[in-house]
Amino acid sequence: QVTLKESGPVLVKPTETLTLTCTVSGFSLSNARMGVSWIRQPPGKALEWLAHIFSNDEKSYSTSLKSRLTISKDTSKSQVVLTMTNMDPVDTATYYCARHKPWFRECYFDYWGQGTLVTVSS
Amino acid sequence: DIQMTQSPSSVSASVGDRVTITCRASQGISSWLAWYQQKPGKAPKLLIYAASSLQSGVPSRFSGSGSGTDFTLTISSLQPEDFATYYCQQANSFPPNTFGQGTKLEIK
Repeated sequence: QVTLKESGPVLVKPTETLTLTCTVSGFSLSNARMGVSWIRQPPGKALEWLAHIFSNDEKSYSTSLKSRLTISKDTSKSQVVLTMTNMDPVDTATYYCARHKPWFRECYFDYWGQGTLVTVSS
Repeated sequence: DIQMTQSPSSVSASVGDRVTITCRASQGISSWLAWYQQKPGKAPKLLIYAASSLQSGVPSRFSGSGSGTDFTLTISSLQPEDFATYYCQQANSFPPNTFGQGTKLEIK
């Protein structure tokens, strides 16, 4: 059974760095071409893809947020970590991690975590 | 970045109706498009990938079509559990994997 679960702070202050962890089970981050993405959704708004990482450690970032994001993985712990620097109230959102559908070069997200709401406020 | 535009932004329909939602890409994306369903407070659920392939476990009343820049999601006979928000996502050009702005399907 494939599951993903996000964890991290529910409240961060402006200018702080956010660190979120996605813990996966039911598949291995070392499987060939396995990928995991982070996606966020501000309250009442649309989905926004942030970053992804593949089993070969290939990484990609949102064009507009690239300078603030870092994605990494710890295969032994089955975890994918996202850091976002210089947080602002506009970054208030539910943050999801999602698995890429296996064996596709394109990124279709077939399993999602439940999401974690992060509020940025002083 | 490729922009994805969905229409309509919201639609009202009744149980049993046939509903079509469209998604237009700002440039050609071949067939690399997915559709997701999201209910309030829940994570999105993959319905359709590669424009027309039905994800495992998704009812056959959902179907997708299109290629290039124009795509549609059709629900052949609405069921009560289908009232939700639907998103398209282009997967041809990454980064980024762009989503549409969403279409809210409401009960008439």
